[in-house]
Amino acid sequence: AQSVTQLGSHVSVSEGALVLLRCNYSSSVPPYLFWYVQYPNQGLQLLLKYTSAATLVKGINGFEAEFKKSETSFHLTKPSAHMSDAAEYFCAVSDSGGGADGLTFGKGTHLIIQP
Amino acid sequence: EPEVTQTPSHQVTQMGQEVILRCVPISNHLYFYWYRQILGQKVEFLVSFYNNEISEKSEIFDDQFSVERPDGSNFTLKIRSTKLEDSAMYFCASRPNTGYNEQFFGPGTRLTVL
Repeated sequence: AQSVTQLGSHVSVSEGALVLLRCNYSSSVPPYLFWYVQYPNQGLQLLLKYTSAATLVKGINGFEAEFKKSETSFHLTKPSAHMSDAAEYFCAVSDSGGGADGLTFGKGTHLIIQP
Repeated sequence: EPEVTQTPSHQVTQMGQEVILRCVPISNHLYFYWYRQILGQKVEFLVSFYNNEISEKSEIFDDQFSVERPDGSNFTLKIRSTKLEDSAMYFCASRPNTGYNEQFFGPGTRLTVL
């Protein structure tokens, strides 16, 4: 069975500082990995996805993530935090790139941006 | 930009009552999903739906739950006899027949069971 672990339920960074949100996965097959962001009172918005085409994936709003098979990790980074990045971030995994498989989510990381 | 919509945004019901949560997926999408998020917990998969039938369901999706696509645009989740522990945010998602299982989520319905 697949699973996702997000280290740190809350991460606080200063505006302009590096953002690093950690995600480790467990999957019996090569995974498809996703990062979603949830702003207050909104749904989940896809930030980026890993589909085995490239290990470094660029997403929206300046975020990127690197797939490291040896570490079973898919950490999310952004070089310079902006106040508008404050939100809840979810890492998710799917064993299948097709079909009707549900996504398995981590518990989420609340990103706080200090002015 | 097309988006998934859900109604109502907040539903309050008494324990034992039936509720129907409604979703309008993106129009050209073929796969539909329901997830729930109990306050403070992770988002959990409930069920997926394709070609007018359930494709996958989790252990959570027991006999009190059902899904339906009553027409060409709506996708509903029915809870027959609500329990206190059904209080949660319920998200609908959809995706097209292409891509890598990237799902598009609606804003959610907050269900409160009293």
